[in-house]
Amino acid sequence: GAVVSQHPSWVICKSGTSVKIECRSLDFQATTMFWYRQFPKQSLMLMATSNEGSKATYEQGVEKDKFLINHASLTLSTLTVTSAHPEDSSFYICSARGPLGTEAFFGQGTRLTVV
Amino acid sequence: LAKTTQPISMDSYEGQEVNITCSHNNIATNDYITWYQQFPSQGPRFIIQGYKTKVTNEVASLFIPADRKSSTLSLPRVSLSDTAVYYCLVGARGYQKVTFGTGTKLQVIP
Repeated sequence: GAVVSQHPSWVICKSGTSVKIECRSLDFQATTMFWYRQFPKQSLMLMATSNEGSKATYEQGVEKDKFLINHASLTLSTLTVTSAHPEDSSFYICSARGPLGTEAFFGQGTRLTVV
Repeated sequence: LAKTTQPISMDSYEGQEVNITCSHNNIATNDYITWYQQFPSQGPRFIIQGYKTKVTNEVASLFIPADRKSSTLSLPRVSLSDTAVYYCLVGARGYQKVTFGTGTKLQVIP
């Protein structure tokens, strides 16, 4: 099946710094990618929809200036957590609609810890 | 997207067949039903997708009654490695959003 790769798998950063997470579709082109956040023992919460070549669409309550999304190519979307704070510590997951457009493929996730 | 309801958790012994039911009373005509599996600290993994009746692949079966207001994921002869959270999603193919419900935490017991 289609492969979505996320990098890094985990990152620890200091409070106030910014962190970039990459999401790549390895063997297909993804015009649309999704970013999720998942807190311990909770379900995935959709943060934003990333469309290649246009601005991301953010879900209600998600700060677009804090979570910067760039989808500059058909195989890469990035999420930058700006001025990170401990409450931003979470598991971030990206997904991309597969080449047939019938299902979503997920990256392995990025564990962000802000200290 | 249609709202889904699943049991919060289930326990099963190794080797047994496990059936997880999902309710989606307001499913739309063009909606498909998709199930994902998630292990701790990993992204969800696609299991199976269907529209009506029965779909089977190498890991699971999906049963959908005629009214499509519910669906049942069937895992044959579960093993300890099947311990995970299982999510049922309903939406049109090529859907713009993939939103998750609470999922069902399956615990397989030796």
